Amino acid sequence: GQQVQQSPTSLVLQEGENAELQCNFSTSLNSMQWFYQRPGGSLISVFYNPSGTKQSGRLTSTTVIKERRSSLHISSSQITDSGTYLCAMDPNTGGLSGKLTFGEGTQVTVIS
Amino acid sequence: EAAVTQSPRSKVAVTGGKVTLSCHQTNNHDYMYWYRQDTGHGLRLIHYSYVADSTEKGDIPDGYKASRPSQENFSLILELASLSQTAVYFCASSQYTEVFFGKGTRLTVV
Repeated sequence: GQQVQQSPTSLVLQEGENAELQCNFSTSLNSMQWFYQRPGGSLISVFYNPSGTKQSGRLTSTTVIKERRSSLHISSSQITDSGTYLCAMDPNTGGLSGKLTFGEGTQVTVIS
Repeated sequence: EAAVTQSPRSKVAVTGGKVTLSCHQTNNHDYMYWYRQDTGHGLRLIHYSYVADSTEKGDIPDGYKASRPSQENFSLILELASLSQTAVYFCASSQYTEVFFGKGTRLTVV
């Protein structure tokens, strides 16, 4: 079945540094989403990005379908960015079915 | 405001006992899901539902049953809880490109 690989597993950032998180899919990519999870908390959708580049504030997501990968760029990191970032693939092409296959996440720690 | 509410938020269950986790959404979404997350890992799909009174098996359904008596409510049932079912369980609802998760239920089976 579909496998989702995220890298790195974890990283520590000095406040103000940039970071790029990677997500690779083992089979053809239909649509995907990035989530942010607070320590011990729920998941919040960050981006629904089936293709191309999307930006929201300091976060930018780029999905390249033919290369079966997506990235999440964090610019000028802040302490409040700390948490786990998970990518997930959905088998639907026109919107989410919700039957998501998740990667194991990248744990981000931002220190001052 | 979109909301998915799970109850209880945490539970300790005895091996072999029955456990019911409840989920309620006010998003008017047709689709609801149950995922489990093990420490340090991503989420895995247990059961899902597209419509009331109908449920479907996800990727890891063994040992779990689900019930969707109404559009708003979706339950996950562990008939005979086992140690391996210790995890955090998340309920979610979705429609089109929206997906909202509950805050999770931490289940410990002893």
